[in-house]
Amino acid sequence: DTEVTQTPKHLVMGMTNKKSLKCEQHMGHRAMYWYKQKAKKPPELMFVYSYEKLSINESVPSRFSPECPNSSLLNLHLHALQPEDSALYLCASSLTPRVSSYEQYFGPGTRLTVT
Amino acid sequence: GENVEQHPSTLSVQEGDSAVIKCTYSDSASNYFPWYKQELGKRPQLIIDIRSNVGEKKDQRIAVTLNKTAKHFSLHITETQPEDSAVYFCAARPPSGGGADGLTFGKGTHLIIQP
Repeated sequence: DTEVTQTPKHLVMGMTNKKSLKCEQHMGHRAMYWYKQKAKKPPELMFVYSYEKLSINESVPSRFSPECPNSSLLNLHLHALQPEDSALYLCASSLTPRVSSYEQYFGPGTRLTVT
Repeated sequence: GENVEQHPSTLSVQEGDSAVIKCTYSDSASNYFPWYKQELGKRPQLIIDIRSNVGEKKDQRIAVTLNKTAKHFSLHITETQPEDSAVYFCAARPPSGGGADGLTFGKGTHLIIQP
C-alpha cells in the first residue's frame, strides 16, 4: 500500500454535532500531519505528530482535537464547529522527521461543510 | 515563523513553451523546498523537491533551482503540455528541533497552458 487514505470523502455537520475524520497509511511513515485548505488557498498546517506524539499545534482552536492511536492512524475529532471551519482537511505523512526523508505525501482530503 | 512568497499568481503560456514560477522564503535556516501540483478537486501531489545542500535538480521536463544566499527558489517546466495545467504550490520546511515540522506554503500559481 503506497498511499494515504482519508475517510469520509465528504462530511456535512451542524454546529452542535460531534464527528471525526480518519486518516490511514501503511507505508511505515512515522510523521503525520493535518492541514486545512480553504478554496483557492494553500494548505495551512494544523497539527504534526512525530512517532505518535503531538509535536506541533499551530494554535488551532480546541474544537479541533487530534489523536494518533498508532503509527498508521490519525484522527481529527470535531466538536462545536463554526461555518468558517468549512474547508478541505488534508492528512499527510512522511517517513520520519530526519533530513533524508522529508517528502510529505497527501491523502485525498475530507471536504467538510458546517451548516 | 517562516513566510513564503510566490509569483506570479496566474501564468498563461502557449503549449510547448516554458513556464517559470518563483518563490522566496524568509527563514534562512529552512532546509527543504518541495513543489506540489494540485488539480481541481484533487490532492496536492509532490512533483519535485530540493534540499538546501543542492543548487539544482532536474526530472525530465521539470527542474528546480535554489539560491540560498538570495533565499529564493524556482520551478521550471519546459515543453509545456495541456496536462500541466493546474495550481502549483511551493513550500519551505523550517529546521526541525528534533521532531517533525510541517510545511509553509506559498499562495499558489494557477498555470494555464493555452493550446
